[in-house]
Amino acid sequence: GENVEQHPSTLSVQEGDSAVIKCTYSDSASNYFPWYKQELGKGPQLIIDIRSNVGEKKDQRIAVTLNKTAKHFSLHITETQPEDSAVYFCAARGYGGSQGNLIFGKGTKLSVKP
Amino acid sequence: DGGITQSPKYLFRKEGQNVTLSCEQNLNHDAMYWYRQDPGQGLRLIYYSQIVNDFQKGDIAEGYSVSREKKESFPLTVTSAQKNPTAFYLCASSILPGNTGELFFGEGSRLTVL
Repeated sequence: GENVEQHPSTLSVQEGDSAVIKCTYSDSASNYFPWYKQELGKGPQLIIDIRSNVGEKKDQRIAVTLNKTAKHFSLHITETQPEDSAVYFCAARGYGGSQGNLIFGKGTKLSVKP
Repeated sequence: DGGITQSPKYLFRKEGQNVTLSCEQNLNHDAMYWYRQDPGQGLRLIYYSQIVNDFQKGDIAEGYSVSREKKESFPLTVTSAQKNPTAFYLCASSILPGNTGELFFGEGSRLTVL
């Protein structure tokens, strides 16, 4: 089955700097890669996602890139702000049936220092 | 407002007792999920249901049970057979089971076994 590795487990940046979180996946059949943000004491929320037919997607200060050949994808946050501090999870999903469930990485705790 | 409601938010249990966590959604979603979150372990799937009166085991189903008698409700019972039940439990739902549908999470229930 699918396995998702996420790095780093913790990341500390100064406000205004960029942050990059990287994930690798094992199943070449996976075709959907979302990123979730979890604030303290709350459930995760989808912030951006990418499908396997796209190499890059941007939404304001957030971007995700996908390299299907290398089987890795990354989250890029530019001009970080204190409210970006949270735990971020990447995930991968195959197609259909029991393979259609999301497999999550172990999370990255991002701290943005003012 | 539409969303997912989990209760209770905090729960304490003595060893040997069963406990049931509630999850209700008013999003009219077909699929519902239960995840367990432990520090540094990411989100692991316990059970999922794609339709009323049907559910499937996830990756860590041992010691847990579920029911799906109504579309909007998916309660999770943590039984005394679960060897390490202390954790943060998250319920989620999605429009399209086994597909690229976004997961909507509740705010979680924290279970502590005394």
